[in-house]
Amino acid sequence: ILNVEQSPQSLHVQEGDSTNFTCSFPSSNFYALHWYRWETAKSPEALFVMTLNGDEKKKGRISATLNTKEGYSYLYIKGSQPEDSATYLCASPNTGGFKTIFGAGTRLFVKA
Amino acid sequence: DVKVTQSSRYLVKRTGEKVFLECVQDMDHENMFWYRQDPGLGLRLIYFSYDVKMKEKGDIPEGYSVSREKKERFSLILESASTSQTSMYLCASRKRQGARIYGYTFGSGTRLTVV
Repeated sequence: ILNVEQSPQSLHVQEGDSTNFTCSFPSSNFYALHWYRWETAKSPEALFVMTLNGDEKKKGRISATLNTKEGYSYLYIKGSQPEDSATYLCASPNTGGFKTIFGAGTRLFVKA
Repeated sequence: DVKVTQSSRYLVKRTGEKVFLECVQDMDHENMFWYRQDPGLGLRLIYFSYDVKMKEKGDIPEGYSVSREKKERFSLILESASTSQTSMYLCASRKRQGARIYGYTFGSGTRLTVV
């Protein structure tokens, strides 16, 4: 079974701060890496699906990088806003993608 | 525009009851999944279905069963609810993987309390 670790568990930042968090996963038999944003009382929302080593994806102020050789991905938020407050999940599916291991998430609080 | 709908947001059931959690998706996705989420843990896969009438055990299937009689509907059944099954349950669907890898579309969850 894969082990997906996220750090930190939680993070408090001020509005306007830029922040980043880490997802680590076993690098052997890598298939893909997903990032989701989960706001309270809402559905988890897919942010990125990444497959290639060195991949970098961007969606507005949020971006992510992927290093499959060393088994980590970073999620960056530039100029955090209160609406960025959420839990950010990363997940690594097995080949074929049916059994996905999720990290426990990083809970981000952005104070206005 | 809700795409994955879970029938209840909150449920309270008694120990020993048979519990049905319903999930419906309107995106014509082949794959559907049931996860549970507990504090401090990542989402854990209970069961999945890669197509109609097909089902496979996930990592924690004990005490659960599923039904997928129609493509759009995937039901999770707790045969005899126990307090250890108090949790947040998330349904997800996904288009069949091919050359392209897709992420999940999740429902908003059902928080089940077993008393």
